[in-house]
Amino acid sequence: SYVLTQPPSVSVAPGQTARITCGGNNIGSKSVHWYQQKPGQAPVLVVYDDSDRPSGIPERFSGSNSGNTATLTISRVEAGDEADYYCQVWDSSSDHYVFGTGTKVTVL
Amino acid sequence: EVQLVQSGAEVKKPGESLKISCKGSGYNFTSYWIGWVRQMPGKGLEWMGIIYPGDSDTRYSPSFEGQVTISVDKPISTAYLQWSSLKASDTAMYYCARLEGGESYFDYWGQGTLVTVSS
Repeated sequence: SYVLTQPPSVSVAPGQTARITCGGNNIGSKSVHWYQQKPGQAPVLVVYDDSDRPSGIPERFSGSNSGNTATLTISRVEAGDEADYYCQVWDSSSDHYVFGTGTKVTVL
Repeated sequence: EVQLVQSGAEVKKPGESLKISCKGSGYNFTSYWIGWVRQMPGKGLEWMGIIYPGDSDTRYSPSFEGQVTISVDKPISTAYLQWSSLKASDTAMYYCARLEGGESYFDYWGQGTLVTVSS
């Protein structure tokens, strides 16, 4: 089955840039989606189709995808960005949905 | 406004059955797949399965096939997740979510239903 690997944690100072990676075999050939989950809340879609943002998501959130790594970038990090972040793809070979292992972003 | 509203928290004993619900509103319920996602305490998101309310076509993750049943009641725009015999390891938060983007990503999520299984 398809596996998506994320770093367990990323720490960043306010105002700096956080980069969260999502590794998978030839992930660049798939569409990658990203979710933010704050403690005690349901996940929220923050980036879809590699780099598009849903309505209401700040431009500070951006995504890229190439080769074996997709990246969610959070610019000008704020305290309110502290959360768990998950990548997700649809694996066409198995017709299954796969979530990454999750990354906890801590704002210092 | 698109909304998915889930049923309330449940406390059950091992071996008991359970059916939790997810009611959609603000969109054409029969035209979008609904998925279920498990999150065990302190752990990540796991895809369980999806259902198309239009024709009840259902697909399961291999990890959950045979362990749960996903169903839908079209007239009341509600999807269900059920267990016939709960185990302590079923203790988790369960989310329903709507599939969008050509059935590629989950754009709207329910608030979650906490299921606790304990003797």
